[in-house]
Amino acid sequence: GENVEQHPSTLSVQEGDSAVIKCTYSDSASNYFPWYKQELGKRPQLIIDIRSNVGEKKDQRIAVTLNKTAKHFSLHITETQPEDSAVYFCAASKSAGTALIFGKGTTLSVSS
Amino acid sequence: GAVVSQHPSRVICKSGTSVKIECRSLDFQATTMFWYRQFPKKSLMLMATSNEGSKATYEQGVEKDKFLINHASLTLSTLTVTSAHPEDSSFYICSARAPSGSYEQYFGPGTRLTVT
Repeated sequence: GENVEQHPSTLSVQEGDSAVIKCTYSDSASNYFPWYKQELGKRPQLIIDIRSNVGEKKDQRIAVTLNKTAKHFSLHITETQPEDSAVYFCAASKSAGTALIFGKGTTLSVSS
Repeated sequence: GAVVSQHPSRVICKSGTSVKIECRSLDFQATTMFWYRQFPKKSLMLMATSNEGSKATYEQGVEKDKFLINHASLTLSTLTVTSAHPEDSSFYICSARAPSGSYEQYFGPGTRLTVT
């Protein structure tokens, strides 16, 4: 089955710096790659996603890049703010209607 | 947007008892729902895929007789933890597949189960 690896497990940055989180996946059939932000005790919130027919997607300070050949995708957050502090999860799935397989998460801390 | 609710949000039960958790899609029909569990400071681990009108598909290592899943309608899936033990204490989260054509999944707010 699919296996998603995520690095780093923790990331500390200064406010205004950029943060990058990387994930790799094992199943070449996976074609949907969302990123979630989760605050303690809350549900995961989708912050950005990318389909396999696209190499990059951007939404204001957040961007995701995908390299299908290498089977890895990355989350980029620019101009980080303290409110960006949370746990971030990457995930992968094969098609609409199939389950998401999550990475182990990255705890991002943004200090002011 | 699509809304998924879960009930209860928190439950404390004694060892040996059973607990039922409900997952509802409030404004759309969900033929497929997913159940995850999440231990503190850990990732979401898929437990099972719940399909309306048919048996759930369980992930390897998940005991189907312990975690009973019923998806009796297009808006409701239930997870029953039978004969609960302290090691079953966890955060249980459901998600529902978005209406056809979309890859997005909508998550419930989660249920914190504590077994004493």
